[in-house]
Amino acid sequence: GAVVSQHPSRVICKSGTSVKIECRSLDFQATTMFWYRQFPKQSLMLMATSNEGSKATYEQGVEKDKFLINHASLTLSTLTVTSAHPEDSSFYICSASLQGGGNTIYFGEGSWLTVV
Amino acid sequence: EDQVTQSPEALRLQEGESSSLNCSYTVSGLRGLFWYRQDPGKGPEFLFTLYSAGEEKEKERLKATLTKKESFLHITAPKPEDSATYLCAVQASNDYKLSFGAGTTVTVRA
Repeated sequence: GAVVSQHPSRVICKSGTSVKIECRSLDFQATTMFWYRQFPKQSLMLMATSNEGSKATYEQGVEKDKFLINHASLTLSTLTVTSAHPEDSSFYICSASLQGGGNTIYFGEGSWLTVV
Repeated sequence: EDQVTQSPEALRLQEGESSSLNCSYTVSGLRGLFWYRQDPGKGPEFLFTLYSAGEEKEKERLKATLTKKESFLHITAPKPEDSATYLCAVQASNDYKLSFGAGTTVTVRA
């Protein structure tokens, strides 16, 4: 069964609104979680690294004020897309690892965001 | 900067026709090389982690091998259910994030 769960799996929101995506580790405590974005027929692009209890580290070119990441507990990280626009429509995927990397990194099922 | 190149981009196989996927990488010290399977509209499913040259891991019809410059994913006697995109990623020794290749899309015809 899934060890990393994302919710919602699909969401449609109006342009200008904000939407929150949750990522939960089900069977373990994840000190580090990662957020990715994937466009159709392309590979995963890392957006940010989320460490429990500290600020997220964003990759170059990712707007941290637009993509708010909170990792308030060892089992939950959230990604909030603020003031969403149609170009933010994408597949967002999180992953979680034990103890900052470990030897197995599990991915969630992904969340489809459509901004209309 | 870490780089991962996968080839071929797409692979069409007849059921039972074994083949290999390639993942070439450059990284500043390898912590681990990861293989994932991704079905359309789904998140990647973990397959293997390899840590050092010469290491091999197997799972059902899949076998992953690692050298200092590349990794291969061998698919033996594939079945239609093996159709998916296979992703390779590396993790550098000085970081925990994964750098992904573009993937190889495998289609297995019955």
